Amino acid sequence: DARVTQTPRHKVTEMGQEVTMRCQPILGHNTVFWYRQTMMQGLELLAYFRNRAPLDDSGMPKDRFSAEMPDATLATLKIQPSEPRDSAVYFCASGLVRDGQTNLNTEAFFGQGTRLTVV
Amino acid sequence: KQEVTQIPAALSVPEGENLVLNCSFTDSAIYNLQWFRQDPGKGLTSLLLIQSSQREQTSGRLNASLDKSSGRSTLYIAASQPGDSATYLCAVKRDGNNRLAFGKGNQVVVIP
Repeated sequence: DARVTQTPRHKVTEMGQEVTMRCQPILGHNTVFWYRQTMMQGLELLAYFRNRAPLDDSGMPKDRFSAEMPDATLATLKIQPSEPRDSAVYFCASGLVRDGQTNLNTEAFFGQGTRLTVV
Repeated sequence: KQEVTQIPAALSVPEGENLVLNCSFTDSAIYNLQWFRQDPGKGLTSLLLIQSSQREQTSGRLNASLDKSSGRSTLYIAASQPGDSATYLCAVKRDGNNRLAFGKGNQVVVIP
């Protein structure tokens, strides 16, 4: 059964430490999204990639956050150095955009999320 | 910037009652609208997706309507059950931009 897989599910770290979150999109999907969920702000888009290239990372604080897709089966979101205000649930989602089109041809499928706590 | 609002933020209903959840959005130039369910500590499960050209979508006890011109969508859940207790999120997408703009959700408790 195809699903988006995120690791780790939970992470507790001390302020100043580096945090790396990983996402395995659904096989065959070429578009990957990173969202962050907090009680105050709800769900916000941090970045998204198509065919491994970043299309929009305007929602991401550039000084400490970085997102990459080393290959089509792995997306990473890194925070260095982490701060308590980064505590949130980080979701990865994937979908398919066919060649020559701009809109998703599928729904966006979400992973279970990584719950990050920075103390 | 698209603003998505969900009212009420939280509600409790006795089992068997119909649920009505509202979502409003400020920019009517949407490509589609999606309703999700989120259980505590879990990810998002897509319930229904309505294209901008559609007026409603149905799946089992769920029915979602879309009035693009007035910037509103309503999710109806018929004959609610305790298992329907969850947070329901509405998200809209613009044409040509795959970013989803989410509301903050309707937190639902169905009382047995």
